Amino acid sequence: DADVTQTPRNRITKTGKRIMLECSQTKGHDRMYWYRQDPGLGLRLIYYSFDVKDINKGEISDGYSVSRQAQAKFSLSLESAIPNQTALYFCATSDFPAASSGQETQYFGPGTRLLVL
Amino acid sequence: RKEVEQDPGPFNVPEGATVAFNCTYSNSASQSFFWYRQDCRKEPKLLMSVYSSGNEDGRFTAQLNRASQYISLLIRDSKLSDSATYLCVVNNQAGTALIFGKGTTLSVSS
Repeated sequence: DADVTQTPRNRITKTGKRIMLECSQTKGHDRMYWYRQDPGLGLRLIYYSFDVKDINKGEISDGYSVSRQAQAKFSLSLESAIPNQTALYFCATSDFPAASSGQETQYFGPGTRLLVL
Repeated sequence: RKEVEQDPGPFNVPEGATVAFNCTYSNSASQSFFWYRQDCRKEPKLLMSVYSSGNEDGRFTAQLNRASQYISLLIRDSKLSDSATYLCVVNNQAGTALIFGKGTTLSVSS
């Protein structure tokens, strides 16, 4: 079983709809992240959470909200989807603080392809 | 200056070639440096961390030049399976998140 899972894997929705992307992890990591990836723009950080009570905005949080329901679960919501939110969305966890190397590693889920019409 | 800059490529090389990717970063306070690999339509995966003294993992060698704020990745004896996008990654100024470059695409042909 994958350590970081995302549901759904693909989603088509219409402008104005509310949708939720879910992420679960079995790695026992405290830190979790949501990114979006667009062609030519690379990965951009939307929100991140260092534990259940800690939520932080990333580079591009406008139009998004998150919920950290448990250590293992971190959901991303689009309250009113718009076409420019069409992208590939990745959830990631981090093993910070890394035990041996001292450098954290991020582990990504398989991604959710979202199309907003 | 963008936080992490990479030549997007693509780099098209034959099997067995040696290829080098470069990356520059803007935050002189960055302490963590990585190369991630991303296959087409897949998630990024850590290829290797980059240490101050440089480090090697098989055919892959990573170098860091803090004075020039420059990171490199050298791939020797390229394989078809090395075809992917390589992402240069550094931590942000606060040390709370990672900043990803846009990636350099490598295509190895037979």
